[in-house]
Amino acid sequence: DGGITQSPKYLFRKEGQNVTLSCEQNLNHDAMYWYRQDPGQGLRLIYYSQIVNDFQKGDIAEGYSVSREKKESFPLTVTSAQKNPTAFYLCASNRGDYGYTFGSGTRLTVV
Amino acid sequence: KQEVTQIPAALSVPEGENLVLNCSFTDSAIYNLQWFRQDPGKGLTSLLLIQSSQREQTSGRLNASLDKSSGRSTLYIAASQPGDSATYLCAANSGGYQKVTFGTGTKLQVIP
Repeated sequence: DGGITQSPKYLFRKEGQNVTLSCEQNLNHDAMYWYRQDPGQGLRLIYYSQIVNDFQKGDIAEGYSVSREKKESFPLTVTSAQKNPTAFYLCASNRGDYGYTFGSGTRLTVV
Repeated sequence: KQEVTQIPAALSVPEGENLVLNCSFTDSAIYNLQWFRQDPGKGLTSLLLIQSSQREQTSGRLNASLDKSSGRSTLYIAASQPGDSATYLCAANSGGYQKVTFGTGTKLQVIP
């Protein structure tokens, strides 16, 4: 079955460390997205990509970076510049104005 | 700027009850509206997608309606079951790759 795979499910980051969250899709969708979810808040867009080798900042891009070298893959790096990275991170994809498909999420905790 | 509101934030009902979840949006110029379910610690699962030209969509015990003129969508759950307990989110798509706005969700608890 087609879908989005996020890994790892849980990730722990030490102060000053960069960590990378993986997102892979086999839906043949052009667009991919990274969202951050905090308790009591709606999903906030970090980055999105419409096509390979192109991506755009969302509302809260500071302290994050992405790449889109393959259509299927859209990894997110949380850098040491992100001062409050503890959150639930969700990857999504879609095609045109059709609905979104989400992955199962990665919970990142600073230790 | 589009704003999406879901009220109430939490709802508790006895098993078997029919219920309605509400989603309000401020900009009626939307392409579609999508309802999701989120279980604790999990990703979002798509339930129903209503295109702007449609008035409602049905899947099993779920029925979602869309009234663009009033800026409202409702999700109707018939004969609720404990397994329906989850957070339900709606998302309004105003067009474009970064123009989807999510509500903060309604946390539903169905009591056996």
